[in-house]
Amino acid sequence: QVQLQESGPGLVKPSETLSLTCSVSAFSITNAYYWGWIRQPPGKGLEWIGSISKSGSTYYSPSLRSRVTISVDTPKNQVSLRLTSMTAADTALYFCAKSLRWLGGEFDSWGQGILVTVSS
Amino acid sequence: DIQMTQSPSSLSASVGDRVTITCRASQDISNYVAWYQQKPGKVPRLLIYSASTLQSGVPSRFSGSGSGTDFTLTISSLQPEDVASYYCQKYSNSPWTFGQGTKVEVK
Repeated sequence: QVQLQESGPGLVKPSETLSLTCSVSAFSITNAYYWGWIRQPPGKGLEWIGSISKSGSTYYSPSLRSRVTISVDTPKNQVSLRLTSMTAADTALYFCAKSLRWLGGEFDSWGQGILVTVSS
Repeated sequence: DIQMTQSPSSLSASVGDRVTITCRASQDISNYVAWYQQKPGKVPRLLIYSASTLQSGVPSRFSGSGSGTDFTLTISSLQPEDVASYYCQKYSNSPWTFGQGTKVEVK
């Protein structure tokens, strides 16, 4: 059974850069077509941050495109998220997720999420 | 960018009721829609993909329909364990937008 686990700092200062890692176990990341990052501010809905394809193509939310980078480390079986110039509006639960089908964008496996708070 | 408008934002229904949640896309997105259920404090769960295909292990009381711009998630007979927020997601092209969510409660 595929398992995804997000890791990184739970507290980030304003203007700093957030770096999160999604470690995947019991599944090779090369066997999924898309990996994605989604976030959820406290008490609010889901927001798609971006996705990366098997070929390395990246797709980002227009509202975050200037600040976000998603990458894959195949030897480590990890997917990473980097978000620069953090503000209080970026406080959220951050999820990584795996797509179900080849070329499909639906996410069938999710990590438990990591809560990131932006505060000085 | 294509917008997804989900309605209602919340609803309350009795056990056994038929519940319908809709998502409308601002442009034709064929059938590139998924539906998720998120129970309080839990991770989102994929219910439906390709607008109408039931994900493995999901109870048959859940169904999806629609194509083009209008999509529907139906719970045929609401159960107490269906209390959750439900989200649509479009993935026809980037950005892969989620709907605003619908909170379902049992009367």
